[in-house]
Amino acid sequence: EAQVTQNPRYLITVTGKKLTVTCSQNMNHEYMSWYRQDPGLGLRQIYYSMNVEVTDKGDVPEGYKVSRKEKRNFPLILESPSPNQTSLYFCASRSGKETQYFGPGTRLLVL
Amino acid sequence: GQSLEQPSEVTAVEGAIVQINCTYQTSGFYGLSWYQQHDGGAPTFLSYNALDGLEETGRFSSFLSRSDSYGYLLLQELQMKDSASYFCAVRDQNTGFQKLVFGTGTRLLVSP
Repeated sequence: EAQVTQNPRYLITVTGKKLTVTCSQNMNHEYMSWYRQDPGLGLRQIYYSMNVEVTDKGDVPEGYKVSRKEKRNFPLILESPSPNQTSLYFCASRSGKETQYFGPGTRLLVL
Repeated sequence: GQSLEQPSEVTAVEGAIVQINCTYQTSGFYGLSWYQQHDGGAPTFLSYNALDGLEETGRFSSFLSRSDSYGYLLLQELQMKDSASYFCAVRDQNTGFQKLVFGTGTRLLVSP
């Protein structure tokens, strides 16, 4: 089954404790992205990647890092999480076509 | 940059037809996409218009007018399960059209 998976689905952490949210897709897609979704603000792109070792900032990259060492994986790293990073996070991937596939989401609470 | 405007909420009854509008301002245009998101769920792709006109997929249709920088999503024979948020999206020319920019979404409430 074609899918994008994210882990963990839910996470409660404390300010300053480094965390990584993993994302993996099994569709051999070149393009992958991370979004955060906050009430009233819609989906905002954090980082995106056009292929292995090619990444670029989205609209809200501050406080986040990404890497793309393999085509299927695109982890999101929060080196020192802060409460304003409490949000719902989505990973997504697409081929050269328009359809973008989203993962199930990761709900993060930073205390 | 890009900006998209959608109504924040639309209400309708089962069996009715509803139209969700999207106006956009872009420095370049690649196409308009629509996504559906149920509460607690992930966005799912609905449709894409690159050229002017109407694209139909079952009960859902999407329309684009590039000269008016305007599009809409038309939902017919509404069902309760259509209650969800709907987002329009365009590609950002400044990133070679690699980045997808979303509107803030329209919440559709379908009542019996």
